[in-house]
Amino acid sequence: AQRVTQPEKLLSVFKGAPVELKCNYSYSGSPELFWYVQYSRQRLQLLLRHISRESIKGFTADLNKGETSFHLKKPFAQEEDSAMYYCALGTGANSKLTFGKGITLSVRP
Amino acid sequence: DAGVTQSPTHLIKTRGQQVTLRCSPISGHKSVSWYQQVLGQGPQFIFQYYEKEERGRGNFPDRFSARQFPNYSSELNVNALLLGDSALYLCASSLGAGRTEAFFGQGTRLTVV
Repeated sequence: AQRVTQPEKLLSVFKGAPVELKCNYSYSGSPELFWYVQYSRQRLQLLLRHISRESIKGFTADLNKGETSFHLKKPFAQEEDSAMYYCALGTGANSKLTFGKGITLSVRP
Repeated sequence: DAGVTQSPTHLIKTRGQQVTLRCSPISGHKSVSWYQQVLGQGPQFIFQYYEKEERGRGNFPDRFSARQFPNYSSELNVNALLLGDSALYLCASSLGAGRTEAFFGQGTRLTVV
């Protein structure tokens, strides 16, 4: 069975500090990993997917199959990064996503 | 913008009642998925429909059912409501049936009393 673990519920940092949001997954097949973000009063939206290997809003994430991890990183946090972040695992031939419990990122001025 | 729309936005029902939630996907998207999000948890997959056929089902009881219409809109039905069904129900649409980007609606907040 597939599972996504986000070990922390809350990360609070000061503006300009580095950020790393942890995500580990469990899946025996070929995974596809995503990070979704939900800003206050907005809908859930895609931030990153591992196959695109892009940097979005300064965030990057690398899939480490050996450690089964897909940690989200940003070198210098901004106040507007404050939001709820979910790691998600795509498996199989359909669009099913398995989400972690999410982590609240709070960036203080 | 013409994003995924869900109705109603909020709903209060009594235990034992039945509820129908509605979703309109982004124009051109043929796949609709439903998720349940309880407080403090990530969204949990309920169903996926593509071209009016069920393509995936999560670990939910038979009280939960869904369908997709020729215009690709979808309904989620829940019968014999329980207090534990109180949650935010999210709809997501995507272009195809496979691993393509999912776009989420704002959700329907269901409260069962």
